[in-house]
Amino acid sequence: NAGVTQTPKFQVLKTGQSMTLQCAQDMNHEYMSWYRQDPGMGLRLIHYSVGAGITDQGEVPNGYNVSRSTTEDFPLRLLSAAPSQTSVYFCASGAGGGAYEQYFGPGTRLTVT
Amino acid sequence: ELKVEQNPLFLSMQEGKNYTIYCNYSTTSDRLYWYRQDPGKSLESLFVLLSNGAVKQEGRLMASLDTKARLSTLHITAAVHDLSATYFCAVENNNNDMRFGAGTRLTVKP
Repeated sequence: NAGVTQTPKFQVLKTGQSMTLQCAQDMNHEYMSWYRQDPGMGLRLIHYSVGAGITDQGEVPNGYNVSRSTTEDFPLRLLSAAPSQTSVYFCASGAGGGAYEQYFGPGTRLTVT
Repeated sequence: ELKVEQNPLFLSMQEGKNYTIYCNYSTTSDRLYWYRQDPGKSLESLFVLLSNGAVKQEGRLMASLDTKARLSTLHITAAVHDLSATYFCAVENNNNDMRFGAGTRLTVKP
């Protein structure tokens, strides 16, 4: 099992550009989520999904879109990148409807200039 | 709105000493998680606490949950250098929404 994979590992964007962060898991987990981690702060939930076709907003959803067309994939789209979106992004998956431990991907370090 | 507070945020310990990290949260929940993060790395699950009074232990770490007090503790016994890391608690509400604490950066010195 590869677990949770994320691509790319690093990305630099200019303000206003759009891009998609990819996340995939091979554990057949129903629950998937995206977080951002900023220095000195814990992780903040951006969006999550409890199954294919179902997504919901977390604590900081503005500026991001998600979709869940398959159980395996949960891409995160930045619509128009802003310097405030410079962060490390983690994708995670969990076996239950969230009520289980989550497995985190390696992270994507995004810089917006 | 669910808020999660951890303290202390920074903890410097000597090897062999004991200490406790506290995690308070603001609304009713009986699902609490502890994670560890090494510098520049991803998060690793340590404990899953799913009921009032739950206690789990792994090596020198022990976690407990008091849902009535809305408090979880992570107790470190006889710290060793390998435990140096940042520890996060996370609380889940009934809508599968997750909130993390700011993290406790633990440094264990010889």
